[in-house]
Amino acid sequence: QVQLQEWGPGLVKPSQTLSLTCTVSGGSISSGNYYWSWIRQPAGKGLEWIGRIYTSGSTNYNPSLKSRVSISIDTSKNQLSLKMSSVTAADTAVYYCAREVSTSVRRYFDLWGRGTLVTVSS
Amino acid sequence: QSVLTQPPSASGTPGQRVTISCSGSSSNIGGNTVKWYQQPPGTAPKLLIYSNNQRPSWVPDRFSGSKSGTSASLAISGLQSEDEADYYCSTWDDSLNAWVFGGGTKLTVL
Repeated sequence: QVQLQEWGPGLVKPSQTLSLTCTVSGGSISSGNYYWSWIRQPAGKGLEWIGRIYTSGSTNYNPSLKSRVSISIDTSKNQLSLKMSSVTAADTAVYYCAREVSTSVRRYFDLWGRGTLVTVSS
Repeated sequence: QSVLTQPPSASGTPGQRVTISCSGSSSNIGGNTVKWYQQPPGTAPKLLIYSNNQRPSWVPDRFSGSKSGTSASLAISGLQSEDEADYYCSTWDDSLNAWVFGGGTKLTVL
């Protein structure tokens, strides 16, 4: 079955750029009516949607993060990526990639990665 | 501060019925369907309810969802110890053009 796996540096210095990749295995990132999202969760806190990308390359971002975030997709590698610039301690969180079913009658996140912890600290 | 408002905690004894509320506005719950996600400790969230009241095939019928106006609710009947988890409501916000989540409700089975 399709699985998602996030990976990247677990420690990022303040003011630097956070870079994460999500590898999709067991299926093609290009198939089906899916968006691919990044969602984060600070320790002990709730979920925050960061943004999403469609296989065509079109993106949507959380307005509160839009100025610092970029999401891209590499269909040849079956991967999506997240870049977040000018990070601070407030960006310390578990980062998830998730698949969004998007049809006229169904819209939800049906598949999540296990998440990867990113700590922002000097 | 989350766009959707949930109580931070809920509790019940085994076999009881508990409900978790989720309050929003016309730009989110009022105009879009609500999903609920369950997140057991140390794991990723899993879809529990979609389209306000639909359950994926793997979710037992003890879980049910409803929506009225700009509010939604998740009900869990026949509470079991394995239901202890954090629960999040979510929907699309047409004003923000973004997915929004509630702050989460921690369910404790006493």
